[in-house]
Amino acid sequence: DVKVTQSSRYLVKRTGEKVFLECVQDMDHENMFWYRQDPGLGLRLIYFSYDVKMKEKGDIPEGYSVSREKKERFSLILESASTNQTSMYLCASSFRSSNEKLFFGSGTQLSVL
Amino acid sequence: GENVEQHPSTLSVQEGDSAVIKCTYSDSASNYFPWYKQELGKRPQLIIDIRSNVGEKKDQRIAVTLNKTAKHFSLHITETQPEDSAVYFCAASGYSTLTFGKGTMLLVSP
Repeated sequence: DVKVTQSSRYLVKRTGEKVFLECVQDMDHENMFWYRQDPGLGLRLIYFSYDVKMKEKGDIPEGYSVSREKKERFSLILESASTNQTSMYLCASSFRSSNEKLFFGSGTQLSVL
Repeated sequence: GENVEQHPSTLSVQEGDSAVIKCTYSDSASNYFPWYKQELGKRPQLIIDIRSNVGEKKDQRIAVTLNKTAKHFSLHITETQPEDSAVYFCAASGYSTLTFGKGTMLLVSP
């Protein structure tokens, strides 16, 4: 079974803190994604990566950055956390084609106080 | 970019009834349409998908239909069971990333 593992299930941070969300997949997938899930807004794409060292902006990249130094690991960085970044963050991975099944992690519920 | 509209946002049915969730998309180049199910507190999981060269696909109690001309696709669940209660997301993509609808919360009452 494919495993996409997110390092924290719940995280509480203070406004202005730098926050790192980590995601690791074990299926040698080329593509990795970070989504944000908010009630009534569905899944919105923050950033994605098709290869090591590569990154592309999604629909809502403002206030976020990413890092992909190794194929299996994709990190989401909140440079200076704000209260409007309180949300559920979901990592996903897939094989190279854009039209392939996404495998999601179990999510990180981030609260910024 | 692609825009995906999903309706209804909430759907309540009695066990054994059928449920239909509808989505429309804007980009005529989209050719892949998956549906994901997210149970409470769990991660989204793919339940069925359809590609633009097919009009309908069925897997046991679930089916998806696609009308390319009208740019809409639907999820049909027959003989609903309480374990079908979840949030369902439709999505569409062409040559880029998936765009998701806002989700439908399906509640199946025993």
